[in-house]
Amino acid sequence: EDQVTQSPEALRLQEGESSSLNCSYTVSGLRGLFWYRQDPGKGPEFLFTLYSAGEEKEKERLKATLTKKESFLHITAPKPEDSATYLCAVRPVSGGYNKLIFGAGTRLAVHP
Amino acid sequence: EAQVTQNPRYLITVTGKKLTVTCSQNMNHEYMSWYRQDPGLGLRQIYYSMNVEVTDKGDVPEGYKVSRKEKRNFPLILESPSPNQTSLYFCASKTGQGGKETQYFGPGTRLLVL
Repeated sequence: EDQVTQSPEALRLQEGESSSLNCSYTVSGLRGLFWYRQDPGKGPEFLFTLYSAGEEKEKERLKATLTKKESFLHITAPKPEDSATYLCAVRPVSGGYNKLIFGAGTRLAVHP
Repeated sequence: EAQVTQNPRYLITVTGKKLTVTCSQNMNHEYMSWYRQDPGLGLRQIYYSMNVEVTDKGDVPEGYKVSRKEKRNFPLILESPSPNQTSLYFCASKTGQGGKETQYFGPGTRLLVL
């Protein structure tokens, strides 16, 4: 069964304290892995798409990496405005281009 | 401004009273979908549509209906809501397939069924 697991469930960081969020997945074949940011009371906002192992994407303080079994979202020197829930989703080959399986998310709180 | 809009944003209803949540996008996207978000479960896909008059079931379609008569609109219909449909609902749209696809989500509709 296709599955996505994110860890930790919640993470508290001090401003400037770098860390990583994990997204591990089991799918029959991967057509893409997606990272989203979700602020309270809002819809998810697209961050990155990764398609193959070894691929990396960066945006400001965020860097996403992908291996054959997991993806990491690295946050370098975070600021309070990076506080949000980060969602990971995979698109399995079995679902064509229409299926997305989401993890439960990691709630990140960055304190000054 | 590119956006997906949903209405209403908040809704309290009673068991069995039919309701419709509207979704509209202004980006001329062919693909639209509905998700529900529940604590600890993440987002789960209810229905999706690849184009006008083309819809298909997602992972949790029971108790829901959709229609796609116009490209920009994709309403979600609950014919006889039940308390287990209390949830946060998101509509989304995206361009085509693969490549540099980006999925845009609406602001969400919080539904409480009593």
